[in-house]
Amino acid sequence: KNQVEQSPQSLIILEGKNCTLQCNYTVSPFSNLRWYKQDTGRGPVSLTIMTFSENTKSNGRYTATLDADTKQSSLHITASQLSDSASYICVEGPGGGADGLTFGKGTHLIIQP
Amino acid sequence: GAGVSQSPSNKVTEKGKDVELRCDPISGHTALYWYRQSLGQGLEFLIYFQGNSAPDKSGLPSDRFSAERTGGSVSTLTIQRTQQEDSAVYLCASSLPNWGSYTSPLHFGNGTRLTVT
Repeated sequence: KNQVEQSPQSLIILEGKNCTLQCNYTVSPFSNLRWYKQDTGRGPVSLTIMTFSENTKSNGRYTATLDADTKQSSLHITASQLSDSASYICVEGPGGGADGLTFGKGTHLIIQP
Repeated sequence: GAGVSQSPSNKVTEKGKDVELRCDPISGHTALYWYRQSLGQGLEFLIYFQGNSAPDKSGLPSDRFSAERTGGSVSTLTIQRTQQEDSAVYLCASSLPNWGSYTSPLHFGNGTRLTVT
């Protein structure tokens, strides 16, 4: 069964610190790897989308990496801010009018002042 | 511009009643998705539309669930004879088609929180 596993389940860090969230996927064949941010009570918002040929992509203080050989992705957050407190969801799949999206359960990140 | 709009934002209903959830996608987005999110769980795929057609309905949990999309725009998810296990946040998303090397992100609404008492 195609799966996307995220770790840790939850994380608490101090404001200003960096952190890295992990995503392992077993989905095959690979299409693309997406990271979403979901604030409490809101819908997920796209942060990055990476295709097979991309191994890093940045969006402001967010940098996603992809290792297609080990089927791992990470999301690195630099100089965290209180507004970074949210759930971060890793997703594999084509989207764009096609089914086959596989969602991870997310990492719940809390930034403390 | 306007994002994906869902209504109502919250719905409390009694067990056994029918409910209708509405989604207004971003104008021009041909693909529309419905997901269900329970506390502490990942998003559960329900159904997606390409235009007015639903190529894949396999995610609908039971025949109490149905969805339609008219005019390639607004979609309605209907749950008949609601049960307590239907309580969840129902999220709608829309996107453009993927084409060439462009991969379309999903744009989500803020969801409808359904509570069945």
